Amino acid sequence: IVLTQSPDTLSLSPGERATLFCRASQTITNDFLAWYQQKPGQAPRLLIYATSNRATGIPNRFSGSGSGTDFSLTISRLEPEDFAVYYCQQYDYSPPITFGQGTRLDIK
Amino acid sequence: EVRLVESGGGLVQPGGSLRLSCSASGFTFSGHSMNWVRQAPGKGLEWISYMTGPGNVIYYADSVKGRFTISRDNADNSLYLQMDSLRVEDTALYYCAKDHQGAFGRGILESWGQGALVTVSS
Repeated sequence: IVLTQSPDTLSLSPGERATLFCRASQTITNDFLAWYQQKPGQAPRLLIYATSNRATGIPNRFSGSGSGTDFSLTISRLEPEDFAVYYCQQYDYSPPITFGQGTRLDIK
Repeated sequence: EVRLVESGGGLVQPGGSLRLSCSASGFTFSGHSMNWVRQAPGKGLEWISYMTGPGNVIYYADSVKGRFTISRDNADNSLYLQMDSLRVEDTALYYCAKDHQGAFGRGILESWGQGALVTVSS
């Protein structure tokens, strides 16, 4: 299963709302989709699992939604620390686990 | 606090071998499935291997099948990745990652180490 994220790069300002998309090549039947954040020089961090469940310690400005083949991650009001690369990942058809190619969220 | 620390990375020639270790603490290691995920320089994430908590089920990505071997020592809270027949394209930062869903969880990568860098070059 291939995950395609859009856009590749998103340039926004702090305080703005960000919406990142992830499209699957096949239907993800059990909502088994996760989102990760990765900052330069750091390991990825789990943000969202099962499409819409926030991981422990993740602020409520992060939310996930979607179904079938189309999923999204929304950051309601961007904080300076939110500028990073974001990956979606499916585990419905695991193995293998597959990741999207990533969306880079840049400061405008 | 969950802690995962990878070690064993380094520079190796094509065709060579390397063994990575991941030392775990802060949780019941045997109660969680574990994964290896790699990231080539400047690239995205690639899952490469999975092992259940008891070690009875193992999966590999096609890109490493037959060359890499995952194992674990639950008494020592350690995960391993034996990498043989290394290729230039195996150059990457290798992360171990703990599954969120317990001994048979299959894909929510809840905690990650900082990675071990493997460079394959002549």
